[in-house]
Amino acid sequence: SQQGEEDPQALSIQEGENATMNCSYKTSINNLQWYRQNSGRGLVHLILIRSNEREKHSGRLRVTLDTSKKSSSLLITASRAADTASYFCATDGGSNYKLTFGKGTLLTVNP
Amino acid sequence: EAGVAQSPRYKIIEKRQSVAFWCNPISGHATLYWYQQILGQGPKLLIQFQNNGVVDDSQLPKDRFSAERLKGVDSTLKIQPAKLEDSAVYLCASSPDSGGAQHFGDGTRLSIL
Repeated sequence: SQQGEEDPQALSIQEGENATMNCSYKTSINNLQWYRQNSGRGLVHLILIRSNEREKHSGRLRVTLDTSKKSSSLLITASRAADTASYFCATDGGSNYKLTFGKGTLLTVNP
Repeated sequence: EAGVAQSPRYKIIEKRQSVAFWCNPISGHATLYWYQQILGQGPKLLIQFQNNGVVDDSQLPKDRFSAERLKGVDSTLKIQPAKLEDSAVYLCASSPDSGGAQHFGDGTRLSIL
């Protein structure tokens, strides 16, 4: 079963705009990770946020985590056409650090 | 640093045939993962190895799927016999240890006729 659920399922924006994707989950976690997947390729790790952290930045990426609401958001600022991809959140909640992925958000950035 | 290598990239077989996938993780990574990704969904963990020992195989259909990681380096995943529902991309990932970022290969796209 998939714990994380991303919202929206699909998002289309213009280059230069910001993109926000949300992830909700059901059980307690050790950490939450975001990955990007370009069509026909493997996943690429973007950022990891631990359960005791509230916000984390990496370049144009900003991730927030609200453990009381069991939700996270990924903000991509000043989007580029190259950001077009599927974005997945993955939760790590077990003793063996098993990742459970959501269904993803398909982001399309139009030039 | 070389990435995670997987082969083949594509495979087409008929149902009830057998198939094997190979993965070579990043050098020095102790943890290796096999995922199944069905079109339109996120990856689902099939099996997780720590060195050459199995940490989690709770979602591996053991009646038809098997995996091994001899010598704690590269790994093979086998399906025998294949069913139509096994059509998916099979992704291999590795990490230095459990709990951190995972590095993925580009996967093997399996089509069952």
